[in-house]
Amino acid sequence: QKEVEQDPGPLSVPEGAIVSLNCTYSNSAFQYFMWYRQYSRKGPELLMYTYSSGNKEDGRFTAQVDKSSKYISLFIRDSQPSDSATYLCAMSVLGGTGANSKLTFGKGITLSVRP
Amino acid sequence: EPEVTQTPSHQVTQMGQEVILRCVPISNHLYFYWYRQILGQKVEFLVSFYNNEISEKSEIFDDQFSVERPDGSNFTLKIRSTKLEDSAMYFCASSGLGTDTQYFGPGTRLTVL
Repeated sequence: QKEVEQDPGPLSVPEGAIVSLNCTYSNSAFQYFMWYRQYSRKGPELLMYTYSSGNKEDGRFTAQVDKSSKYISLFIRDSQPSDSATYLCAMSVLGGTGANSKLTFGKGITLSVRP
Repeated sequence: EPEVTQTPSHQVTQMGQEVILRCVPISNHLYFYWYRQILGQKVEFLVSFYNNEISEKSEIFDDQFSVERPDGSNFTLKIRSTKLEDSAMYFCASSGLGTDTQYFGPGTRLTVL
């Protein structure tokens, strides 16, 4: 079983739709969970970061973590064409510094929001 | 806003040649990382670096790879003898004390012919 699995894509939605992106993981040692957005031929850009089960909201974005099910989600409300990008989930055992802070990524899902 | 920069944006080299990829991390950051992304595949961890030594490395990071912080601003990844399968995007990232997140540069696309 792969350490981090992400729903395959691509995903195409109309503008204004609610988008749900999901990842599962097998390593129960993961404590920190991130969502990155990556535009074509660019580096990953951090969107959301959380280390506890539950929901974390930032504007139109909500990150949800369920450690008991080893499942994380990113919800995008009122999606816009500018949200079109590849979304990567990432996880680490520790926070952003020190040993064991390496990020393990999902494969990414490409989202297209149609005007 | 401070950002991680990388040069060159695209490097083309012949198999067996040495390449050096350069990164300038965010200025007050102390932890540095290299990741790579082969086309169509996941972003993969290569190595982390702190206090002038490697903290952790993946099995990909074999003897052909090395990292260095030659001065107070640059962080480099050297591949001694490139192989075709080294063709990928290479991302540098940095993080600092008090931050729990890693900030990525725009990447260097390495093409080995």
